[in-house]
Amino acid sequence: DAGVIQSPRHEVTEMGQEVTLRCKPISGHNSLFWYRQTMMRGLELLIYFNNNVPIDDSGMPEDRFSAKMPNASFSTLKIQPSEPRDSAVYFCASSRQGLNEKLFFGSGTQLSVL
Amino acid sequence: GENVEQHPSTLSVQEGDSAVIKCTYSDSASNYFPWYKQELGKRPQLIIDIRSNVGEKKDQRIAVTLNKTAKHFSLHITETQPEDSAVYFCAASADSSYKLIFGSGTRLLVRP
Repeated sequence: DAGVIQSPRHEVTEMGQEVTLRCKPISGHNSLFWYRQTMMRGLELLIYFNNNVPIDDSGMPEDRFSAKMPNASFSTLKIQPSEPRDSAVYFCASSRQGLNEKLFFGSGTQLSVL
Repeated sequence: GENVEQHPSTLSVQEGDSAVIKCTYSDSASNYFPWYKQELGKRPQLIIDIRSNVGEKKDQRIAVTLNKTAKHFSLHITETQPEDSAVYFCAASADSSYKLIFGSGTRLLVRP
């Protein structure tokens, strides 16, 4: 298995632009997580999907952030409009059952908003 | 909600020495405690985990201990090697919750 696949690896954009991050979880995993990592706040859970359904998005910082999972093999995290403070590494992770199971992280997307 | 505190934030040891990283958690319902290692520019990867029905778990040079009464757990690395240099994160979650809450991380440097 190729593991969790994220794209793009790096994204540089200007403030106000829309940013879309993509994730393909490991086949057979039914739970998907989006995390954001910064030096100041560490690893923060943004949203969790189970069987393609968003279970809790309380970690999503603002209405500018949205996430979708249209099917078991694809998820997106969108920021519109982007701001410099959104600059971070965004990780997608998946697991088999969601509860207390090993998380497999993707390589992350390094986002820089100028 | 759960809060996980991790200490120290940085740790420097001589190759061959032991390293200990400690975490405390707040939610008494938490029963799963994994440790992740993140090398520079890489993704976090699970290195060991422990569940609340055991007090200690070992895997070669690494071990994790859990004290549920005190709500703290620790990572022990023996005979450290330069390739152990990385950031280590502890985390905690409960069966009733899907939220794996991470500590702030410990940057371990193993000096050759």
